[in-house]
Amino acid sequence: NAGVTQTPKFQVLKTGQSMTLQCAQDMNHEYMSWYRQDPGMGLRLIHYSVGAGITDQGEVPNGYNVSRSTTEDFPLRLLSAAPSQTSVYFCASSYAGTGDTEAFFGQGTRLTVV
Amino acid sequence: GQQVMQIPQYQHVQEGEDFTTYCNSSTTLSNIQWYKQRPGGHPVFLIQLVKSGEVKKQKRLTFQFGEAKKNSSLHITATQTTDVGTYFCAGPEYNFNKFYFGSGTKLNVKP
Repeated sequence: NAGVTQTPKFQVLKTGQSMTLQCAQDMNHEYMSWYRQDPGMGLRLIHYSVGAGITDQGEVPNGYNVSRSTTEDFPLRLLSAAPSQTSVYFCASSYAGTGDTEAFFGQGTRLTVV
Repeated sequence: GQQVMQIPQYQHVQEGEDFTTYCNSSTTLSNIQWYKQRPGGHPVFLIQLVKSGEVKKQKRLTFQFGEAKKNSSLHITATQTTDVGTYFCAGPEYNFNKFYFGSGTKLNVKP
């Protein structure tokens, strides 16, 4: 089992560019989520999905879009990158409602917007 | 919305000393989870506490869930250099769909 796979691991974007961060899991988990991690801020929830076709906003959704067409994949799209989106992004998945089952995290994507 | 606060933000200890991090929620939590993130790594699940007043141990790590289910602590006895990392508590919103992490405590252990 690969677990949760994120690509790319590193990315540099210019302000205004768009890109998609990929996330895939092979554990048949219903719940998937995206977090960003900034120094001293912990992990902040961007978007989450409770199953294919269902997504919702977290704490900091502005500037990001998600979709969930399959159980396995949950891509995060940056529409028009801004320097404030420089961060480390983590995708996570869990078996069910993430409140009562452990979350498995991907290796992270370190994004720099210049 | 729910807030999960964690203190201290940083802790530097000498190897062999004890370490404690505290987590406080503005609302009652149905459960709380703890994660460890090594430098340059990703968060890894350590444990989940569900019951009021629950205490769980993993070798040198002791986890507690408060009686009111609004606070929790992680205590490490006799730290080792392998304990270096950031420790996060995390708790779900009432409907479980949103999962909030504390700001983390970064532990540095000097050999």
